[in-house]
Amino acid sequence: QVTLKESGPGMLQPSKTLSLTCSFSGFSLSTSGMVVSWIRQPSGKSLEWLAAIDWDGDKYYNPSLKSRLTVSKDTSNTQVFLKITSVDIADTATYYCARSYYSGTYVMDAWGQGASVTVSS
Amino acid sequence: DVQMTQSPYNLAASPGESVSINCKASKSISKYLAWYQQKPGKANKLLIYDGSTLQSGIPSRFSGSGSGTDFTLTIRSLEPEDFGLYYCQQHNEYPTFGGGTKLELK
Repeated sequence: QVTLKESGPGMLQPSKTLSLTCSFSGFSLSTSGMVVSWIRQPSGKSLEWLAAIDWDGDKYYNPSLKSRLTVSKDTSNTQVFLKITSVDIADTATYYCARSYYSGTYVMDAWGQGASVTVSS
Repeated sequence: DVQMTQSPYNLAASPGESVSINCKASKSISKYLAWYQQKPGKANKLLIYDGSTLQSGIPSRFSGSGSGTDFTLTIRSLEPEDFGLYYCQQHNEYPTFGGGTKLELK
């Protein structure tokens, strides 16, 4: 059974760095073709893809946010991390991680339930 | 980037009815369009990818069609569990999503 779970600080202040962790089971990121993405959704709004990392360690970023994003994975291939620098109120959102495998790099076939992040002073 | 425009924004229907949701891309994305369902307290669910390929485990009352810039998700014979939010997403290049369609009980 594939499961993903996001964790984060819950709340942080503007200008700080947001660090998020995606912990998953039921698959390994070392498997050829496996990809884990980060997507966010402000309350009441649509989804925005942020970044992805694949089984080979290649990284992909949303061009509009690339300068602020860093995606990485752990050596055991069971966790993926996302850092967003210089956060502001507009970064307040639910952050999801999701897996892509069978259907293509950017087809997310399993999602976590999301971690809520509030940026506030 | 590719802009995705979904319509309608809201849709009210009754169980047993059929509904369609439209998605338009700002440029051709070939067949590379996915549909997701979002419900409170549940993980987002992939329904269809490559425009018309049904994800494993998804009921056959869901179907997708279209190519190029215009796509449609059709749900035949609505079941109570089908009510929720639906998003389209292009997967031809870095992903972008439509604004969402809320399918409500009439």
